[in-house]
Amino acid sequence: KNEVEQSPQNLTAQEGEFITINCSYSVGISALHWLQQHPGGGIVSLFMLSSGKKKHGRLIATINIQEKHSSLHITASHPRDSAVYICAVPMMRNTDKLIFGTGTRLQVFP
Amino acid sequence: DVKVTQSSRYLVKRTGEKVFLECVQDMDHENMFWYRQDPGLGLRLIYFSYDVKMKEKGDIPEGYSVSREKKERFSLILESASTNQTSMYLCASSPGTSGRFYNEQFFGPGTRLTVL
Repeated sequence: KNEVEQSPQNLTAQEGEFITINCSYSVGISALHWLQQHPGGGIVSLFMLSSGKKKHGRLIATINIQEKHSSLHITASHPRDSAVYICAVPMMRNTDKLIFGTGTRLQVFP
Repeated sequence: DVKVTQSSRYLVKRTGEKVFLECVQDMDHENMFWYRQDPGLGLRLIYFSYDVKMKEKGDIPEGYSVSREKKERFSLILESASTNQTSMYLCASSPGTSGRFYNEQFFGPGTRLTVL
């Protein structure tokens, strides 16, 4: 069983749809990192959160520490949102080492 | 903005060759990481460095070595490349704990290595 699990593994959507990607973790400290990887490889950080909710543009991330669960929402999805979304959890306090989920591949069609 | 650069985007090598992958960061970060990424397996840590000349093995260090002679540069070395090392290699850096319990990592663009 993976220590950081994402669902779904693959997701297709029509432009404009509301999208939710889920991440559950069984290890690590109580913080979570959402990353985005576009075709071609480069990874960018979207959010780092340890409680509540964060919003950046059309992206919203929430975390429930007690349930060890986080969701990434995309409102009014667009084809440029097509990417792999990865959640990651710090292994332990005072280290920046991460445990990664295997990613959710999102394709948004016009 | 933090910038992490990698020496090549694409690389093709032959079995048995010695391969060097270079990573440079420009934000004086303490920590640097090398990962490989394979379909269905996600990102796996090969090696981690928390200071110049300091290194720690990650989850899959076999067949790899690293070098960190300067703070800004972290090199991954494949002593004798094999076909099962064909993968995407990603470098990352982070500031180090500096009193915070966790800092985010900043990633390079990746090197897609093919070993024939």
